[in-house]
Formats: sequence, C-alpha cells, structure tokens
Amino acid sequence: RKEVEQDPGPFNVPEGATVAFNCTYSNSASQSFFWYRQDCRKEPKLLMSVYSSGNEDGRFTAQLNRASQYISLLIRDSKLSDSATYLCVVTFNAGNMLTFGGGTRLMVKP
Amino acid sequence: SQTIHQWPATLVQPVGSPLSLECTVEGTSNPNLYWYRQAAGRGLQLLFYSVGIGQISSEVPQNLSASRPQDRQFILSSKKLLLSDSGFYLCAWSTYNNQPQHFGDGTRLSIL
Repeated sequence: RKEVEQDPGPFNVPEGATVAFNCTYSNSASQSFFWYRQDCRKEPKLLMSVYSSGNEDGRFTAQLNRASQYISLLIRDSKLSDSATYLCVVTFNAGNMLTFGGGTRLMVKP
Repeated sequence: SQTIHQWPATLVQPVGSPLSLECTVEGTSNPNLYWYRQAAGRGLQLLFYSVGIGQISSEVPQNLSASRPQDRQFILSSKKLLLSDSGFYLCAWSTYNNQPQHFGDGTRLSIL
C-alpha cells in the first residue's frame, strides 16, 4: 500500500461546479498535511496547509479526518484557471520529510 | 523574502555524457535542500536531501550524486547519463523537515 494515495483522475467538471478530492495516508502518526498545486510542466506550489480543525482560503477548503486517515480539498465555484494537478503531501512524524501523493488531475471546462 | 533559483531550464544531453544541475537559495540561512525527479505523468521522487553543508542523504540508489559546497547551494551531478535519467528535476528548500517545501522552476532533462 502506498504511503499517500490519491485518485489520479482526471476530474472533468464545468465552470462553477464544486469538486472535492480525497487523499488517504497509511501512517496514523502523521503530523503535517499540505495541498500543493502543479500546473502542466511547472513546479509544484504550496496551495494550503491542512489544520486539524479544517481551514478555508477563499474558494478552497481543506479538511483532515484523522480517524479515517484522509484529507480532503474542496473547490467551490471552479474556474478555468483551477485546472491543474493537486498533490496531497503528508509527513509521518515531526522529524520526517514530506511524502507526496501522485496527484489528482482536475480539468475545468467552459 | 526567500527565492530559489535553478538552472538551466531545459537541457538535452547524449547518453554517457556528464551532468551538473545547480540550485541556489537566497534570503534564508541553513535551509534544508532537496532534489526531486518527476517522470512524465508521474509523481515526485525524492532523490537527495541535505540538512547542512557537506551533508547529503540519498533516497534512491542510482548513477546520480549530489553535493552541497555552500550553505545555499545544492548541485546534482552524474558522470555518465542513462536514457532513464530523462525527466523533470526539481530543487526545493524548507526551513525544517516537516515544513512546506518551496520549489525552483525545474530543469527538463532529455537524454538522447
């Protein structure tokens, strides 16, 4: 089983739709969680950290479910510019480095 | 503010030739530094990381090596490139191991 798993997609959604991605992780001792965005042929960029209480940044909402060992990213009112690959990132304890999921590809269509 | 520079942006090399990719970070001291490779349509593979000058940890055995001659300089090298070394190479930095990493623009390497 992979340490961090994501549905590779693609998720094809119309503009204005709400879309959600989940990411599951294998180690219950995981401590830090992030979502990154990667545009085609570009470097990954930090989208948001994921906090235990959940957090929101504009149209983006991140949630953490420790009991079920998954994090989620919800995008409301999708824009064409949201088309990208979204990477789930987890650390497995305070001293370890980030482990990246394989990414979920989102395509927002007009 | 902190910035990370990586060059060249693209590189085409013949099989068996050497490689040197350079990455520098500005605006921070004693960063953790990382080299990743991403094959087309695939996820990120951590190659090397460094927590200080001269300290290199290898995650994947291969014909690549890394060096950190200065605090904010990280170099990825190879003596003889293989076809399988093609990919998108990304350098990243972070303040600590479990903090977000920030990536350079990447080098797209094609081996012919």
